Amino acid sequence: EVQLLESGGGLVQPGGSLRLSCAASGFMFSTYAMSWVRQAPGKGLEWVSAISGSGATTYYADSVKGRFTISRDNSKNTLYVQMNSLRAEDTAVYYCAKGNRDGSSSWYKIYFDSWGQGTLVTVSS
Amino acid sequence: EIVLTQSPGTLSLSPGERATLSCRASQSVSSSYLAWYQQKPGQAPRLLIYGASSRATGIPDRFSGSGSGTDFTLTISRLEPEDFAVYYCQQYGSLPGTFGQGTKVEIK
Repeated sequence: EVQLLESGGGLVQPGGSLRLSCAASGFMFSTYAMSWVRQAPGKGLEWVSAISGSGATTYYADSVKGRFTISRDNSKNTLYVQMNSLRAEDTAVYYCAKGNRDGSSSWYKIYFDSWGQGTLVTVSS
Repeated sequence: EIVLTQSPGTLSLSPGERATLSCRASQSVSSSYLAWYQQKPGQAPRLLIYGASSRATGIPDRFSGSGSGTDFTLTISRLEPEDFAVYYCQQYGSLPGTFGQGTKVEIK
């Protein structure tokens, strides 16, 4: 059974930093792209960042480019996102999601077949 | 960026009724790379449909997806009490991957 367990959320001041982690189990972690998807309170879903299975290729939404860094440690089956220069609009539940390529040769053409329970990040003074 | 517009915003139906949810894309979605998710309050989204019409593992056959190009539909043939939730579509054929704003299916 696939399990994704996020941690690291909390309250941080504007301009501050936070690192989220996602511990994965139940599948061959290194062979799947992974993503962070966030949901602001009462709002819809936003695809924030993604990383290929090897970790060699990454993608960032314009809203976080230059401030967030996604990474993975395949030896520890763990996904990370380092979030710097946090803003009030980054307040959201952050979900870790396992990507599935649906037969595509492009690593980023992925839908999300498993999700973690989410971790809340609140940016406020 | 492909913008996905879901309609209606809210659908008020009774258990046993048929639900038809629409997702319209601002540009053609390549190779029907479109997925549907269900989200209940306080829970993570759950994958229902991928590739526009393929059901995910364990999803009941009352859920079906159809469409291509710019127009996609999620149909729930007979609503069960556990189906009342918010539904999102997502295109993953081009970057950035985008989600629709959601359709809430509520009990009438």
